[in-house]
Amino acid sequence: KQEVTQIPAALSVPEGENLVLNCSFTDSAIYNLQWFRQDPGKGLTSLLLIQSSQREQTSGRLNASLDKSSGRSTLYIAASQPGDSATYLCAVDSGTYKYIFGTGTRLKVLA
Amino acid sequence: DGGITQSPKYLFRKEGQNVTLSCEQNLNHDAMYWYRQDPGQGLRLIYYSQIVNDFQKGDIAEGYSVSREKKESFPLTVTSAQKNPTAFYLCASSIGGITGELFFGEGSRLTVL
Repeated sequence: KQEVTQIPAALSVPEGENLVLNCSFTDSAIYNLQWFRQDPGKGLTSLLLIQSSQREQTSGRLNASLDKSSGRSTLYIAASQPGDSATYLCAVDSGTYKYIFGTGTRLKVLA
Repeated sequence: DGGITQSPKYLFRKEGQNVTLSCEQNLNHDAMYWYRQDPGQGLRLIYYSQIVNDFQKGDIAEGYSVSREKKESFPLTVTSAQKNPTAFYLCASSIGGITGELFFGEGSRLTVL
């Protein structure tokens, strides 16, 4: 059974710092891995989708990598800003329409 | 603008009542999903539908029902059989297939009084 873990559960950093969020999964047979952002009381906003044949994806200050063999993905945020404060979730798609979500990392960027 | 619309945003229910949450998408996506989110837990799949007139149970389907009569619409009914319905409910859609990126609505918060 696929399990997805995100560590740490919470993180506080000063503005301008580069940071890395981690996502681990137990079954390497995945089709996609997707990173989301969630603001309090809101829905999830898709940030990056990495397909199984890809190693990384980039969008602006965000870069996500995927290492299927080790069951890990990282989301790199460059030059963090207070507006980046949110909960970041990763989700794994094993091709069964049942995306499995981690519990998220709550990020706070201090001005 | 293309997107997913959920309504109502907030809903209060008395015990013993059924309530229906609306989810409409204009992304022309084949697949639609309902998730439940509770504090400290990841999103849990309630039901999903790959195509019109077809849907499957997710991991926590007991006490919920859905229909998929139109491609754009996937309403969720929370029945009185659901023992702990207070939660944040999220609807999502994807184009379907193995390359499907998930897109979410803004969510509906249900509180049982």
